[in-house]
Amino acid sequence: KAGVTQTPRYLIKTRGQQVTLSCSPISGHRSVSWYQQTPGQGLQFLFEYFSETQRNKGNFPGRFSGRQFSNSRSEMNVSTLELGDSALYLCASSFRTSTNNEQFFGPGTRLTVL
Amino acid sequence: DAKTTQPPSMDCAEGRAANLPCNHSTISGNEYVYWYRQIHSQGPQYIIHGLKNNETNEMASLIITEDRKSSTLILPHATLRDTAVYYCIVRVANNQGGKLIFGQGTELSVKP
Repeated sequence: KAGVTQTPRYLIKTRGQQVTLSCSPISGHRSVSWYQQTPGQGLQFLFEYFSETQRNKGNFPGRFSGRQFSNSRSEMNVSTLELGDSALYLCASSFRTSTNNEQFFGPGTRLTVL
Repeated sequence: DAKTTQPPSMDCAEGRAANLPCNHSTISGNEYVYWYRQIHSQGPQYIIHGLKNNETNEMASLIITEDRKSSTLILPHATLRDTAVYYCIVRVANNQGGKLIFGQGTELSVKP
């Protein structure tokens, strides 16, 4: 069974640009969550999508947005990039069952903002 | 979700058991204890979770104290590949889905 895939793996952008990252969950998983990891703040939850609807949201500015498609693939977008947006962006998928919320993480997209 | 406290770093000799502690004194009755680990430059990996009974799987054992205010993750025979940051997370296990709240974790170094 293929794991969570994220594209691209590495990305370099400049301040003010926007970026779109993609995540394909494990087949059959309908929940996709996004996290940002930086050396200073650690791993922080961005948002979660389930059945094309945002179900949970972290404490990030509106420049960070996402969406989920009918095949459960998800994209996140960051507009007007700032230097502080340089981070590893991780995507995780799960079944979102009532007894086990095991999250399966992808390898991440390393974003560098210059 | 309750907060957790973990030591920032630990060392363990290869082949010995690694015992990683976690304090979660404000845990609620319906919150589970989850453990994830992150090997350098990879996404976090689920290890194990439990409510109040001790749990064991092919990767590790989880020991939760009777008052549930602390727990210990045990890697029975640590290998060099177990070197990673280990995160203890407490949360309700229901259909609320994602939103894992990660702390700073414990950086475990397994040495030959």
